[in-house]
Amino acid sequence: EPEVTQTPSHQVTQMGQEVILRCVPISNHLYFYWYRQILGQKVEFLVSFYNNEISEKSEIFDDRFSVERPDGSNFTLKIRSTKLEDSAMYFCASSEGTSGSFHNEQFFGPGTRLTVL
Amino acid sequence: SQQGEEDPQALSIQEGENATMNCSYKTSINNLQWYRQNSGRGLVHLILIRSNEREKHSGRLRVTLDTSKKSSSLLITASRAADTASYFCATDSYPNFGNEKLTFGTGTRLTIIP
Repeated sequence: EPEVTQTPSHQVTQMGQEVILRCVPISNHLYFYWYRQILGQKVEFLVSFYNNEISEKSEIFDDRFSVERPDGSNFTLKIRSTKLEDSAMYFCASSEGTSGSFHNEQFFGPGTRLTVL
Repeated sequence: SQQGEEDPQALSIQEGENATMNCSYKTSINNLQWYRQNSGRGLVHLILIRSNEREKHSGRLRVTLDTSKKSSSLLITASRAADTASYFCATDSYPNFGNEKLTFGTGTRLTIIP
């Protein structure tokens, strides 16, 4: 069964450094998302991406964050100048985006645990 | 902004019993989805129910949706130890253009006692 994959599973970085989190969405999906979950808290939306551009972003997604689809398979989240409060589990998700359908499941990857020291 | 809230926050039952979790939300939706998360792991999609549906089944799962009360319930029948996990509801918003951000609830932590 197709699934979303993410690498690395765990990333440790020093405050102020840049990190890139990688995701491979399900191959025929057209919509891509990043969410995060701070330990013990809700899953929060960061950004959605379609047709090579951001569709929507939350207030969490400030100018330190960026997303990119550098090739036909990968979807990346870059965080510059990391802060302690960026420590969280980051989830990538994708959905099929069937034309004319408003009922698309979002499938999530296993997550990358980011620890900022 | 809409917000999902599950109750109870935690639920412990004996293996073989049924588990019921509830979710409430605030604004109109197109869909409501339920996810499972094992401790520290990823989110596993369980089921999607559309706003024009009232009930949906998938294996041992039964989901109901009451849009007039803005609430949903997830029933797991004949629970197993492997069902121990956190369960979240997630809603989109109406109207949307097919693929919008999900707003997650706070989750119910389900423990199945062998």
